[in-house]
Amino acid sequence: QVQLVESGGGVVQPGRSLRLSCAASGFSFSSYGMHWVRQAPGKGLEWVAVISSDGSDKYYADSVKGRFTISRDNSKSTLYLQMISLRAEDTAVYYCAKHQPMDYWGQGTLVTVSS
Amino acid sequence: DIVMTQSPDSLAVSLGERATINCKSSPSVLYSSDNKNYLAWFQQRPGQPPKLLISWASTRESGVPDRFSGSGSGTDFTLTISSLQAEDVAVYYCQQYYSNPYTFGQGTKLEIK
Repeated sequence: QVQLVESGGGVVQPGRSLRLSCAASGFSFSSYGMHWVRQAPGKGLEWVAVISSDGSDKYYADSVKGRFTISRDNSKSTLYLQMISLRAEDTAVYYCAKHQPMDYWGQGTLVTVSS
Repeated sequence: DIVMTQSPDSLAVSLGERATINCKSSPSVLYSSDNKNYLAWFQQRPGQPPKLLISWASTRESGVPDRFSGSGSGTDFTLTISSLQAEDVAVYYCQQYYSNPYTFGQGTKLEIK
């Protein structure tokens, strides 16, 4: 069965960095594009970034462009989100999701940006 | 960017009754070359990640009860729950995957009356 497990969240000060991971299993990871989607506390869903199956194409929401980098390691079936210059408004649960439409989601990892 | 607008923001329906949620895109999410609407519906129960219910505006995902249906084309879409069950209490989101950024509607909170 398809499983997506996020990790790497936590409490971080404004301006600092964090790297999230999403470990995938139960499907051919290298065959699918992958997304990061976030949800601020009590708010709706916001798409963050997408990466193509081979990692050659990447797109970002304007709100994170230049600060966040999506990447993947197909040999490890793992998706990453490198976040730098974090702001209070980046506080959210971050989900990874498979393919388009997004047919499988992880349980999410909480990132809290606070001093 | 494609803007997705849902209505209403919240909805209270009696058990066994019909629930209808609307989603409007601006501009259209109908791709002329394949005549497909790049529109999905998700259900998010409290404390859970979103779950894909419907893709391509009207294709129900495997395992989704047939009381859920999607309709519409172009810019106007509807999610209908034909007979509301207690487990359907959730927030529902539409999302376009026609072009990036892959925007979501603001969500519709569905409750039991």
